[in-house]
Amino acid sequence: NAGVMQNPRHLVRRRGQEARLRCSPMKGHSHVYWYRQLPEEGLKFMVYLQKENIIDESGMPKERFSAEFPKEGPSILRIQQVVRGDSAAYFCASSPNVLGQGAGANVLTFGAGSRLTVL
Amino acid sequence: GENVEQHPSTLSVQEGDSAVIKCTYSDSASNYFPWYKQELGKGPQLIIDIRSNVGEKKDQRIAVTLNKTAKHFSLHITETQPEDSAVYFCAATPDRGSTLGRLYFGRGTQLTVWP
Repeated sequence: NAGVMQNPRHLVRRRGQEARLRCSPMKGHSHVYWYRQLPEEGLKFMVYLQKENIIDESGMPKERFSAEFPKEGPSILRIQQVVRGDSAAYFCASSPNVLGQGAGANVLTFGAGSRLTVL
Repeated sequence: GENVEQHPSTLSVQEGDSAVIKCTYSDSASNYFPWYKQELGKGPQLIIDIRSNVGEKKDQRIAVTLNKTAKHFSLHITETQPEDSAVYFCAATPDRGSTLGRLYFGRGTQLTVWP
């Protein structure tokens, strides 16, 4: 099992450019979550997706940020017109296709992260 | 929403000593509390978790305790080793469908174990 795969691991963008971060969940997981980690801070929830559906995007900034998880292919976190404040590590996590209480619920497996630097 | 506080922010111990990290939470509906270990340049790795129907859970040198009345939970590492050096994060979440996967994290504790 390859685990949660994220790419690129490092991305450098100039202000105003677009950043695209990709995440492939663990095999058999259909729930994907994106978290952002600013320097010396904990992880902050951004968005929760299932295949072709955004379930909870209450942690996403209102502008410039979007996420998708298409029927085929990885989940994409897209940041348009990046600014220096977007520099952070972006982590993707996945969980089993289980809702509510029970084994496996809320057990998130994280990827190694994508580190975005905006110059 | 939930607010998780974590202390201390840094912790240095001698190899073989014990390390304790404490967290408090604000939402009484939270009932799932995982702990993650993050090594430099890597993603967080789940090391132990506890649900609100138990007060303590142990896994070899690692244990977690939960006091729901006081809304705090702690990570205990015994017989520490240099490879335990990392940043440790606590988290909390209500285990219900609408917030599945929405973990609220503490700010982390940098643990350094000196040989």
